[in-house]
Amino acid sequence: DAGVIQSPRHEVTEMGQEVTLRCKPISGHDYLFWYRQTMMRGLELLIYFNNNVPIDDSGMPEDRFSAKMPNASFSTLKIQPSEPRDSAVYFCASRGAGYNEQFFGPGTRLTVL
Amino acid sequence: AQSVSQHNHHVILSEAASLELGCNYSYGGTVNLFWYVQYPGQHLQLLLKYFSGDPLVKGIKGFEAEFIKSKFSFNLRKPSVQWSDTAEYFCACYGNNRLAFGKGNQVVVIP
Repeated sequence: DAGVIQSPRHEVTEMGQEVTLRCKPISGHDYLFWYRQTMMRGLELLIYFNNNVPIDDSGMPEDRFSAKMPNASFSTLKIQPSEPRDSAVYFCASRGAGYNEQFFGPGTRLTVL
Repeated sequence: AQSVSQHNHHVILSEAASLELGCNYSYGGTVNLFWYVQYPGQHLQLLLKYFSGDPLVKGIKGFEAEFIKSKFSFNLRKPSVQWSDTAEYFCACYGNNRLAFGKGNQVVVIP
């Protein structure tokens, strides 16, 4: 298996632009998680899905952030409009039902100028 | 909700020195505990995990961790570090379908 796949790996954009981050979980995994990592706040859970349904989005910072999972093999995290304080590394992770170990993707390093 | 605290965010030590990173968690249910490692520029990788059984857990690359229930702790240890152990180390506690992470320990090993 290729593991969790994220794209793009790096994204540089200007303030106010829309940003879309993509994630493909490991095949067969029922859970998908989006995390944000910054120096100041460490690793924060933004939202997670179970069987494509959002279960807990309490970590989403504000309405500018939205996440979707249209099918079992694809999820997006969108920021619109983006702001410099959104600059961070965004990780996607997945795990199978009955297993507590999460497998992380390589992350997307987002820089908003 | 569970929470995890890690102390001594920055650790600098020489090769062959021993390493111990503290991790304390708070969670009222059955705990599953993890240590993840993030090498520079890379994603998080699982180092070791504890679900049940022997509280002394052996992981990859010579790392081990001990679960002490009475102290709500899951400290990570390595008797002799190498330069390649330079990384950030995260302790995590699983509960309520969520994995709560500590703030991490940035470890730098000087050759």
